[in-house]
Formats: sequence, C-alpha cells, structure tokens
Amino acid sequence: QQQVKQSPQSLIVQKGGISIINCAYENTAFDYFPWYQQFPGKGPALLIAIRPDVSEKKEGRFTISFNKSAKQFSLHIMDSQPGDSATYFCAASNTVGREYGNKLVFGAGTILRVKS
Amino acid sequence: GAVVSQHPSRVICKSGTSVKIECRSLDFQATTMFWYRQFPKKSLMLMATSNEGSKATYEQGVEKDKFLINHASLTLSTLTVTSAHPEDSSFYICSAGSTGVPSYEQYFGPGTRLTVT
Repeated sequence: QQQVKQSPQSLIVQKGGISIINCAYENTAFDYFPWYQQFPGKGPALLIAIRPDVSEKKEGRFTISFNKSAKQFSLHIMDSQPGDSATYFCAASNTVGREYGNKLVFGAGTILRVKS
Repeated sequence: GAVVSQHPSRVICKSGTSVKIECRSLDFQATTMFWYRQFPKKSLMLMATSNEGSKATYEQGVEKDKFLINHASLTLSTLTVTSAHPEDSSFYICSAGSTGVPSYEQYFGPGTRLTVT
C-alpha cells in the first residue's frame, strides 16, 4: 500500500515534443505529490508539487495532472529540451499522519532523454 | 532559499574504517532530516528519519549500529558509516524538511559518493 508505481522506466522524446510520465498510488492517505528531477551525480531537485484539492498545476513548461478518483498523477513536460534529459521521480507523502510525517515514498524513476 | 549542503561530496575510505557525512540546511531550520541511499540507476531508498534532539527512526532492514545518525541542531545532521565495507559503497543523500513555509516540502542535498576499498 506504500508503493508508488511509476512508468515508463525510460523515455525518448524529440526536442520540442511532450514528455509524459505517469504515477499511481494506493494509499488514500497521501496528500502531497511532488516531482523531482535528478541529474547524474547530483541530488534530486524539487520540480513541482501538487496537493489533492486541485486537478492540475502548471509551472512554466511543467504541468502536473492529478486524478484523485483513479489515484494517478502525471508530469507533462511541454516543448521538451535536451537540457531536460534527466531522471524524474514522482513521490507521495502523508503530511498529516504522525506515523509518516513528511516521509516520501518514491517511484522507481524515469530516465528521460530528449533528442536534439 | 531552501539550500541543503553535504560534506564531503566524495570520499574514499579503506574497509574497516568509519566515515562521517554532514548534512546542513543553510537558510532554514530543519525540524526533520532524512537520509537516503541510492544505487546506480535506482530510486532513493530511505534509511532513516531524524528529528532534532531525538533518536533517529530507522527503516526496516537498516542497521542502526552501522549507520549512526545524529541530529544535534536544527541545521545539522550527520551520518556515520561505521566499519565500512565495500558493500556500503553508494550514493548517500540527505534531505531536510520544515514545518515552516513552504511546509511539507523536502529539499535534497547534492549527495555524497562513498567508495570503500
């Protein structure tokens, strides 16, 4: 129940295209869903996050779509650029329950390559 | 804002020795810090959660006596890998969270590459 399933494992997109990464969760107590971007040899960087009271959040070229009933959320990268080539992780946490605090449950990651 | 640093960025040590990794929140007070381990091309594996002034909570399967965590202040947590062995070689990443604004967000350090020879 603590798993967050992420797909695809890897993704190749042409420059200017849309990159879409999907995640699904089971634990309905999760109420915070961030996406992280990680370059090789670096720590993950918070990209964008959403809470379940909204169905979509957009920041620049990055958009999170959230479907509470389906327990799914996805990251869309518009106008993908070679500089976006990185590993992307979705995550989820229960920010209310004392048992978890802010402990994040991570997806397995998606390696994105944007071809120029 | 919300910068987390780690030191050292890379360390090579001999088998049987201990290594200390520092994690600092530079511009905010971190009530909670987390330590992760990441293998190549894999996701982050949470090792332990530490709250300032109290004992760390370790995830199942993580040896408490091998991975000593100290969170002595609101800006510093340390991970000591004791009696390191080659299988402890990994990328160790810390993160820090705060109940302040923005709440619930977690900020990661740049990671420490540990190689045990």
